[in-house]
Amino acid sequence: EVKLVESGGGLVQPGRSLKLSCAASGFSFNDYWMGWVRQAPGKGLEWIGEINQDSSTINYTPSLKDKFTISRDNAQNTLYLQMSKLGSEDTAIYYCARQGYVMDAWGQGASVTVSS
Amino acid sequence: DIQLTQSPSSMSASLGDRVSLTCQSSQGIGNYLSWYQHKPGKPPKPMIYYATNLADGVPSRFSGSRSGSDYSLTISSLESEDTAIYYCLQYDEYPRTFGGGTKLELK
Repeated sequence: EVKLVESGGGLVQPGRSLKLSCAASGFSFNDYWMGWVRQAPGKGLEWIGEINQDSSTINYTPSLKDKFTISRDNAQNTLYLQMSKLGSEDTAIYYCARQGYVMDAWGQGASVTVSS
Repeated sequence: DIQLTQSPSSMSASLGDRVSLTCQSSQGIGNYLSWYQHKPGKPPKPMIYYATNLADGVPSRFSGSRSGSDYSLTISSLESEDTAIYYCLQYDEYPRTFGGGTKLELK
């Protein structure tokens, strides 16, 4: 069974950093592009970025490129999202997703709340 | 960035109705458009890829079509489990972009 499990979410103060993890199982992790999507409260889905199989290509939505860093560890079957300089606008549910023909597998989401 | 405009932003329909949701692209994206169903408290679920292809496990009452820069998701006979927010996503260019969503409710 394909499974993606996010962790590392929680309450963080404005201006601080946070790193999310996404543990993958049930498939050959190093064969797939992987990505992150978020949904702020009451808002729609926002594509954050994605990373290819060997980390040689990483694409971001421009507004987040200077704040967020996507990485992966194929030996640990884990995807990461390093978030810095967090503001209230970054409060959201963060999903990791496997990129096939479509984003065909998703985690349940990690909740991040930015507040003092 | 490519803008995707979804219409309507919300709608209600009755069980058994034929429902069509639209997504219009601000520039040409070919068939590089997918649709996702999103229910509260759950992750998005892929419904359609490459504009017209049904994702794995999606009921055949769902279909996707394209006319120029207009893309549609059609439900041939609405069932109660279809109530959700539906998003289109273009993957022709970076950054990938989602439409604003259509909230589908039962009348």
